[in-house]
Amino acid sequence: DSGVTQTPKHLITATGQRVTLRCSPRSGDLSVYWYQQSLDQGLQFLIQYYNGEERAKGNILERFSAQQFPDLHSELNLSSLELGDSALYFCASSAWTSGVDEQFFGPGTRLTVL
Amino acid sequence: AQSVAQPEDQVNVAEGNPLTVKCTYSVSGNPYLFWYVQYPNRGLQFLLKYITGDNLVKGSYGFEAEFNKSQTSFHLKKPSALVSDSALYFCAVRIAGGGYQKVTFGTGTKLQVIP
Repeated sequence: DSGVTQTPKHLITATGQRVTLRCSPRSGDLSVYWYQQSLDQGLQFLIQYYNGEERAKGNILERFSAQQFPDLHSELNLSSLELGDSALYFCASSAWTSGVDEQFFGPGTRLTVL
Repeated sequence: AQSVAQPEDQVNVAEGNPLTVKCTYSVSGNPYLFWYVQYPNRGLQFLLKYITGDNLVKGSYGFEAEFNKSQTSFHLKKPSALVSDSALYFCAVRIAGGGYQKVTFGTGTKLQVIP
């Protein structure tokens, strides 16, 4: 158990809908990362937050947005969902260990868009 | 720009045999390198990392990886494979140094250990 929690575990919804995925980082970790893992695209970095501020953006669609709250939990909002958005969404938090920020991954949320 | 290549989508090895999962990288500077493992329906778990020092890095579950600067490689190895090692393995790289640096993951290699 990495200490990173994600809810829900599974989510089934229809095209055009909007969903919110939630992540709680490990105690004390200030950074939160979001990744999308699909069969054909591998692990894609979406976005990173550090202590409430957006730090880096990866291949995140405009239909997707995220935020990190004062208690450091983060939410990833996916809107106008398409079939291709079906994937595993992972959250990770990081801590500085031996001079490098090591990422700890949550168990993921499996999103199925029908 | 930095990148990671895992040239094999899948590696099959017999139980008890040595295993190697390949990774090559490209960064504009010195690298920090990582290996993660993902078991079915689970998140990624950290296996080992190279920051500096000894080129042979030992990690969890008997895995080790060798950093080769001239070949820009960081192959994952284990002397004797177990069926329970069957999983998806990801190599990752970031530029060395303090502060925030983007981490880039490879596309993953599925390891199948055959009993």
